[in-house]
Parts: sequence; structure tokens; C-alpha cells
Amino acid sequence: DAGITQSPRHKVTETGTPVTLRCHQTENHRYMYWYRQDPGHGLRLIHYSYGVKDTDKGEVSDGYSVSRSKTEDFLLTLESATSSQTSVYFCAISDSTGGTTNEKLFFGSGTQLSVL
Amino acid sequence: KQEVTQIPAALSVPEGENLVLNCSFTDSAIYNLQWFRQDPGKGLTSLLLIQSSQREQTSGRLNASLDKSSGRSTLYIAASQPGDSATYLCAVKCGANSKLTFGKGITLSVRP
Repeated sequence: DAGITQSPRHKVTETGTPVTLRCHQTENHRYMYWYRQDPGHGLRLIHYSYGVKDTDKGEVSDGYSVSRSKTEDFLLTLESATSSQTSVYFCAISDSTGGTTNEKLFFGSGTQLSVL
Repeated sequence: KQEVTQIPAALSVPEGENLVLNCSFTDSAIYNLQWFRQDPGKGLTSLLLIQSSQREQTSGRLNASLDKSSGRSTLYIAASQPGDSATYLCAVKCGANSKLTFGKGITLSVRP
């Protein structure tokens, strides 16, 4: 998985609790992304980062926050988990958005999150 | 807003068949298009990336074509094998600094 580790791989939590998912990369890629994948919706972008401490919202960012204090780590936090946030969460990285083959997106193996 | 459609949602073919997976998009002013493969319980793996100035890309038994004017891309798989069974997704990028818009994927089953 191109040097991308997501943790935990599986998590079950209760409504209202905070949850943090971690993405760690060893590729030194600049761009990091958090997606969620749901049946009927496909992949949707939650947040992304274009450098240390530089982040921006995606299309489904409500209820989520992110932080990137180091190049290699990108954290996704659910401030107060809800059942609608039950999903598979994927981290992805890329080296460039400048039109080169490095624009390819590399994905982690995902985190299955269940909010009861 | 860009929309990406992949039809049908599922496809079953016998081993050895050549097949074509379709992807259509609503805004023809794209920057690039990428095809991914996803195995059950796994993340996505990028297969091919086509820049807007290109017509096709090839990798082994895979060939992806792009026709921006008609808003279509196809992924051609030659001599399909059971190991090709997976979900195939296409994703479109509309600008250098825009994000990818994904289709919902086509689940392919290749029968031995």
C-alpha cells in the first residue's frame, strides 16, 4: 500500500464519543487526503492537506476535523461520533497536483468504523 | 458540478473474454482521469492515469481511452482472468488544484 498505514483497522464506538483515526506515510508525499466510502455514495472527500499545518475541507467535512503536525502523519477526528459516521475511512497520498504521473493517488487499507 | 457515472454496477464474464468497462462524466473540461481497482476489504490501487491531452494509456493487458468531447472513458481488459475480479472505479479531476470526483464503480466477476 505504498507505505501508508492506517490505524486502527477496525473500531467500534458509541454515539457521542470522540474518535481519532491516524494515517502514517513513509513516502514523504506532500498531499494527504481522508475519504469515506459508503454503499450508494461511493468515495467522498472529507478533508485534505497540502502540507504541514495546511488543511482544507472536502465535500463532507461537517462533524470532522483534521490535523497535520508532521509530513508523515494526518489525523482525522470525529468530535462527537454519530451513527451516520459509520463508514469505511480511507487515507490517500499523492506527490503532486502538477500534472505529472506522480499525481497518482495511493490509498491505505482503510479503517472500518462502527458507531453504535 | 462534475458527475461521474459507471454503468452497469456489476458485470460477470467467462474467463478469457475481452471486456470494456465504461465511465462517463458530465463536464468535458477535465484535467485528468484515473482508473482504480479495489479488492474486497482493501484500499484502491491506481491502474492508469490519462492526462487531458492524451487519448489512451496502456499497462499490460489494460488499456484506458479518453474521449473528452463525448465525456467518456473506457477501460479495456484483454483476455480476462479470475484474478481480475474486483471493483473498478474511475475518477475525474477538473483542474490542476481540484479534487477527484469518483464514480461508484463496476464490480467485475470473471468466472473460471
